[in-house]
Amino acid sequence: EADIYQTPRYLVIGTGKKITLECSQTMGHDKMYWYQQDPGMELHLIHYSYGVNSTEKGDLSSESTVSRIRTEHFPLTLESARPSHTSQYLCASTRGQETQYFGPGTRLLVL
Amino acid sequence: DQQVKQNSPSLSVQEGRISILNCDYTNSMFDYFLWYKKYPAEGPTFLISISSIKDKNEDGRFTVFLNKSAKHLSLHIVPSQPGDSAVYFCAASEIQGAQKLVFGQGTRLTINP
Repeated sequence: EADIYQTPRYLVIGTGKKITLECSQTMGHDKMYWYQQDPGMELHLIHYSYGVNSTEKGDLSSESTVSRIRTEHFPLTLESARPSHTSQYLCASTRGQETQYFGPGTRLLVL
Repeated sequence: DQQVKQNSPSLSVQEGRISILNCDYTNSMFDYFLWYKKYPAEGPTFLISISSIKDKNEDGRFTVFLNKSAKHLSLHIVPSQPGDSAVYFCAASEIQGAQKLVFGQGTRLTINP
């Protein structure tokens, strides 16, 4: 079981607002990931990081951006939220070739 | 182009019986496969994994079988318990490099008392 935290758990926000979803892990994992899941659908990778100062886009195009200034922290930012961004956002981490462990997720609703 | 497919959106099984969840993949570069269990408002919980050098892996009530020639894997849960009711996701990746997980659509398992 991995210690990986996401805040907020739920967020309701108006169109055009800037938001940052937080993800932190305390295991010193080098790789971190952001996945997006719409209800009843599969998870899609939107961003990942090999380590500090490394960020890559995932397989699903996303208007969000990420940063990795510290090993334990991998925040995701939406500069201007839109209703199409309504989804569940899931953060994961791993070390080397080990299993990915997920945080509890953030449910985002953009009105 | 869906690289990982779970063709059964739902499955209902009686308590105590065996639950079998299936998953097919198309990308022959995948060499690491995982099953996760998920509740609606939570993150996926890791259950069991298998690498392509094996064809079976067991952990308690959970067994995963891999048929590389058919590009098919299955998760067996026996005996099934009411607490097993959840959505189960199959995921695949290449174990080297970024290990980007590709997920199936999920199967909702309901265990009936």
